[in-house]
Amino acid sequence: NAGVTQTPKFQVLKTGQSMTLQCAQDMNHNSMYWYRQDPGMGLRLIYYSASEGTTDKGEVPNGYNVSRLNKREFSLRLESAAPSQTSVYFCASSATGSRTEAFFGQGTRLTVV
Amino acid sequence: RKEVEQDPGPFNVPEGATVAFNCTYSNSASQSFFWYRQDCRKEPKLLMSVYSSGNEDGRFTAQLNRASQYISLLIRDSKLSDSATYLCVVTPTSGSARQLTFGSGTQLTVLP
Repeated sequence: NAGVTQTPKFQVLKTGQSMTLQCAQDMNHNSMYWYRQDPGMGLRLIYYSASEGTTDKGEVPNGYNVSRLNKREFSLRLESAAPSQTSVYFCASSATGSRTEAFFGQGTRLTVV
Repeated sequence: RKEVEQDPGPFNVPEGATVAFNCTYSNSASQSFFWYRQDCRKEPKLLMSVYSSGNEDGRFTAQLNRASQYISLLIRDSKLSDSATYLCVVTPTSGSARQLTFGSGTQLTVLP
């Protein structure tokens, strides 16, 4: 019962470093999402993917890139980390359809110093 | 104006109390509505969907008012285990990949 798996769970980066957050789901979902959560801001959508090979910008895409490698995997890359990107990042997936539930990974706590 | 707004709380209530949260949304074309629950430092999990006719799941009742563009969550007979942050979620459009839009959450603490 893995569901949505994110790695790593914790990461500290120095300003200017790059890294990729990995996400994989085993529920055969078409849609996948990356969110960031900051205190008092709620979850904000960074990028989403309706299906393998397609990605679209969300509310806060600047400073990030994504890759939908296959149906299972959706990665988020920070090319040059900034302190403003310190946040908790959640990956989620859902089946097609407006009433289906979104399932979240456990989150990645990223600190940029 | 935020697309989805919630009273951040915190709501501190005694065990057994009834508590209600409201959430307003700005996009009248919104299609689907949900309440998610998020425990401290954990991922959000679906609590319940919100249907036009209203729906109930045990001690939890959700209502949708499209005319006034708000949804509500009522929790009866509060338990200590209900302590969490409750997130209102709205989907602005239908389609295969939904841009789930989250409110900032309402923090609930149920006191013994």
